[in-house]
Amino acid sequence: GAVVSQHPSRVICKSGTSVKIECRSLDFQATTMFWYRQFPKQSLMLMATSNEGSKATYEQGVEKDKFLINHASLTLSTLTVTSAHPEDSSFYICSAISGGTTDTQYFGPGTRLTVL
Amino acid sequence: GQNIDQPTEMTATEGAIVQINCTYQTSGFNGLFWYQQHAGEAPTFLSYNVLDGLEEKGRFSSFLSRSKGYSYLLLKELQMKDSASYLCGGRNQGGKLIFGQGTELSVKP
Repeated sequence: GAVVSQHPSRVICKSGTSVKIECRSLDFQATTMFWYRQFPKQSLMLMATSNEGSKATYEQGVEKDKFLINHASLTLSTLTVTSAHPEDSSFYICSAISGGTTDTQYFGPGTRLTVL
Repeated sequence: GQNIDQPTEMTATEGAIVQINCTYQTSGFNGLFWYQQHAGEAPTFLSYNVLDGLEEKGRFSSFLSRSKGYSYLLLKELQMKDSASYLCGGRNQGGKLIFGQGTELSVKP
């Protein structure tokens, strides 16, 4: 299957700092990328959808000014957690599809964020 | 709206067969996915059903009934490594993949 990478895999930061997470599709062009958040023993919650060259659309309850998403190219999307707080500590996972709505969605390995 | 339900946890014995059910109520539904997720790792794709019926892939099979809003994942010849969380997900007309809460499967010797 297609490969999606994330960087970093793990990050620990102080409260109030900003953290950037990169998501790359390595062997295909991703027209759409999705960002999910997963708390321990819970399922993946969709945060936002990003399409290359346009603004991301956020799910209800997700603050767009706190979670900045940039989809600069067909192979790269970034999520920046601004002014991170301990409650933002979570597992952040990106995924990507290459084409239409029937395409399989491939997930990155995830980024474990811990805010002290 | 969208609502996807699956059991929170299940336990089965090595070598046995287990069926994980998933029911959904969603408008404009466009296919159902099953993913496997081991703790601390990203989900990996197992199957995708867009038409009614059973699709078999080795030890794993997935079934869909659109009229009943029902799907199941069938795992045969269970192995210890099958212990994981199994996520049922539906894609809506907007292309968003929304997941149920996941079923934590524990395989015992």
